[in-house]
Parts: sequence; C-alpha cells; structure tokens
Amino acid sequence: SQKIEQNSEALNIQEGKTATLTCNYTNYSPAYLQWYRQDPGRGPVFLLLIRENEKEKRKERLKVTFDTTLKQSLFHITASQPADSATYLCALGETGANNLFFGTGTRLTVIP
Amino acid sequence: GAGVSQTPSNKVTEKGKYVELRCDPISGHTALYWYRQSLGQGPEFLIYFQGTGAADDSGLPNDRFFAVRPEGSVSTLKIQRTERGDSAVYLCASSHGGQQETQYFGPGTRLLVL
Repeated sequence: SQKIEQNSEALNIQEGKTATLTCNYTNYSPAYLQWYRQDPGRGPVFLLLIRENEKEKRKERLKVTFDTTLKQSLFHITASQPADSATYLCALGETGANNLFFGTGTRLTVIP
Repeated sequence: GAGVSQTPSNKVTEKGKYVELRCDPISGHTALYWYRQSLGQGPEFLIYFQGTGAADDSGLPNDRFFAVRPEGSVSTLKIQRTERGDSAVYLCASSHGGQQETQYFGPGTRLLVL
C-alpha cells in the first residue's frame, strides 16, 4: 500500500540548533516533493519544492534533500527560532497529476 | 493581493443534513483543489478543477460528496446526508494551473457533524 511517513509526530529542539525532519514514502513515484508549514487553525503554507532530478535545495535557513533511491526527503531548519514552531508537512506530486499526497506532519517545537 | 478565502470558517450541522462549503480562489488561478484534513493527519485530496471542469475527482469518498465551479472561479463543495465521520477541516487551494505549481491554501472550514 502507499504510505508517506514523517519521522515523528513531535520534535522538540533548543533554539539555535538545527532541526531535521524526515519524510519517507512507499509505493509512490514522485516527480517532485514539496514542504509546507501549517500553524494551528490555518491552512498549509508552501516553503520549498524539490524535483526528482535535484539532490538539494536551499532557501535562507531552510534546506531540503531528495533521495529517490532511499525514497526519502530530509528537511533542515538551521539556527532554529521559537517562531519556527509549527507542523511541517511533506507532500508528493506524481507525473501527470496535479494533486498532492501529504504526510501526517511533524509538530516542531523550538524551545527558547 | 487577497489570498484564498473560505466560508464559513466553522459549520456545525446534524447528521443527515446537507451542507455547502464555499471557496474563493486567488484571482487568475485556473486550478482549484479541495482537500480534507482530519485531526492529526495531513490533508487528503478530494477533487481538482482546471477551469470549470473537474479534472480529477478520484479523491471524493462517495457519491454524497459533489463539487462545482460553474464560472471557473468560486467553487462549492456539497455534502449530502452528512455523517459524523465527515467531521474534519475542509481545505481549498488554488494555483496557476501547471504541474509542480505552488498551491496556496485557504484557512479551511471546520465541519462538525453531530
């Protein structure tokens, strides 16, 4: 069966450290992968997109990697801040389809 | 500019009733998506419109769910004979329409079926 698993439901880290979130997928052939941030009571907000032929993407303090052999994406937030506290969702997009398949999310808490 | 808006923000209804949820996408976005998000889960795809037509409705759980987008802008998600299991947050998103496009989400409608 198809599955998208994110490493843990919740992750607590100290301010200033790097947060690393994991997204593993099974029985998908994604053409691209996106990461979204979701705050309580709000819709997801797009952060980064990485395509199947790309290994790494960066945007400010964010970095995403994509390994199609391991079927895994890693999402890093460097120099984390309490304002980074939110739920982070990975989402897969397949060739020929416009809809996204979402993981269950990881709730990140950055402790001051 | 204005983002995606959804109304109502909250809806409480009784089992068996009919509900309509509305989505106003970003102006000029040709693609519109409906997702459903249950507590502690990620959004689950329901239906995708390209313009006025439903390009992919494979995520609709059964025939009690229906969506329209008659003028290629505003969309309405309709749920007939609601069941308690329909309780969730219904999210709408829009995009420019191509593949691999960023999807812009609305705040969602929280539906509670008693």
